[in-house]
Amino acid sequence: EAQVTQNPRYLITVTGKKLTVTCSQNMNHEYMSWYRQDPGLGLRQIYYSMNVEVTDKGDVPEGYKVSRKEKRNFPLILESPSPNQTSLYFCASRAGGGQQTQYFGPGTRLLVL
Amino acid sequence: RKEVEQDPGPFNVPEGATVAFNCTYSNSASQSFFWYRQDCRKEPKLLMSVYSSGNEDGRFTAQLNRASQYISLLIRDSKLSDSATYLCVVNGGTNAGNNRKLIWGLGTSLAVNP
Repeated sequence: EAQVTQNPRYLITVTGKKLTVTCSQNMNHEYMSWYRQDPGLGLRQIYYSMNVEVTDKGDVPEGYKVSRKEKRNFPLILESPSPNQTSLYFCASRAGGGQQTQYFGPGTRLLVL
Repeated sequence: RKEVEQDPGPFNVPEGATVAFNCTYSNSASQSFFWYRQDCRKEPKLLMSVYSSGNEDGRFTAQLNRASQYISLLIRDSKLSDSATYLCVVNGGTNAGNNRKLIWGLGTSLAVNP
């Protein structure tokens, strides 16, 4: 089954404790991205990657890192989480070549205390 | 002006009703348009792309008006299962970088009541 998976789905952590949210897709998509969704602000792109070893900042990259060592994986790293990073996070992927339909993972709810 | 604007609603309609949502966008160079559906606390899923000539998928009809820079979604014969938030999505324009960027509206909430 074609899908995007994220782990963990729910996470409660404390300020400053490094965490990683994993994202994996099995559709051989070139393009992957991370979004956060907050009430009244909608979906905002954090980082995106156009292919292996090619990443770039989205609209709200501060406090986040990403890596793309393999085509299928695109982890999101919070080196020192803060309460303002409490949010619902979505990983998404799409094929290249102008195809813009995005497939989303199920989301990760993060609470930073 | 926001890049993509939607009426947040909520739209409360009875089953069987016809309901329409509009979405305006600010970048006249945008080339790709979509409607996504998002159920509460779930991921967005593509409902339909919007083509220049308008397109229909069952009870759903999408239209594009480039002159006025808006897209619309019409839902006929509403079902309880149509209750969700509908997100308008527009690509960033024709530049190589912007063409890949999708700009998301905040969504329009629809509640279909029995």
